[in-house]
Amino acid sequence: DAGVIQSPRHEVTEMGQEVTLRCKPISGHDYLFWYRQTMMRGLELLIYFNNNVPIDDSGMPEDRFSAKMPNASFSTLKIQPSEPRDSAVYFCASSPWTGGAGAGNTIYFGEGSWLTVV
Amino acid sequence: GENVEQHPSTLSVQEGDSAVIKCTYSDSASNYFPWYKQELGKGPQLIIDIRSNVGEKKDQRIAVTLNKTAKHFSLHITETQPEDSAVYFCAASDDYKLSFGAGTTVTVRA
Repeated sequence: DAGVIQSPRHEVTEMGQEVTLRCKPISGHDYLFWYRQTMMRGLELLIYFNNNVPIDDSGMPEDRFSAKMPNASFSTLKIQPSEPRDSAVYFCASSPWTGGAGAGNTIYFGEGSWLTVV
Repeated sequence: GENVEQHPSTLSVQEGDSAVIKCTYSDSASNYFPWYKQELGKGPQLIIDIRSNVGEKKDQRIAVTLNKTAKHFSLHITETQPEDSAVYFCAASDDYKLSFGAGTTVTVRA
């Protein structure tokens, strides 16, 4: 199992530029999550998808952030225009569907995309 | 929404000793409590989880306990080894939205 694959692993960009982060979830997983990690705010859920449909984007900080999942094996998180306060590690994660009621499916994280906006 | 508090923020233990990390949560509807380990430069990795119908779960040197009445749960690592040095996060959820604690940096001294 290849795990959740994210790219790029590191990106340094200038303020105002567009940033696109990419994610390939684990095959067969129905849920995909985008998290952001900073020293100040810890791990924050930005948005999650179920079967490619955005379910909850209440964590997306501003309209500058957008996420898409055009198919079951690919998702993007886009920041346009980027600002220095967007500097963080962005994690993509995926989870299978248990087929039963209730919560608690294991969520698997990728290695993260380290974004620096200067 | 759910609020998870985690203590301590840093923990230094001698190799071979035990480490205990404690978390409290606010939402009584939460019924899933995973623990993640994050090594430097890597993503969080699930090490153990517990569901609300279970009070304790053990996996080799790692154990988790849950007290739903008091709304707290704990991670216990016994016989600590240098490779246990990492940041540990607790989390709570009643659906797919995990709420994470702030993390505990564990350092195992040789």
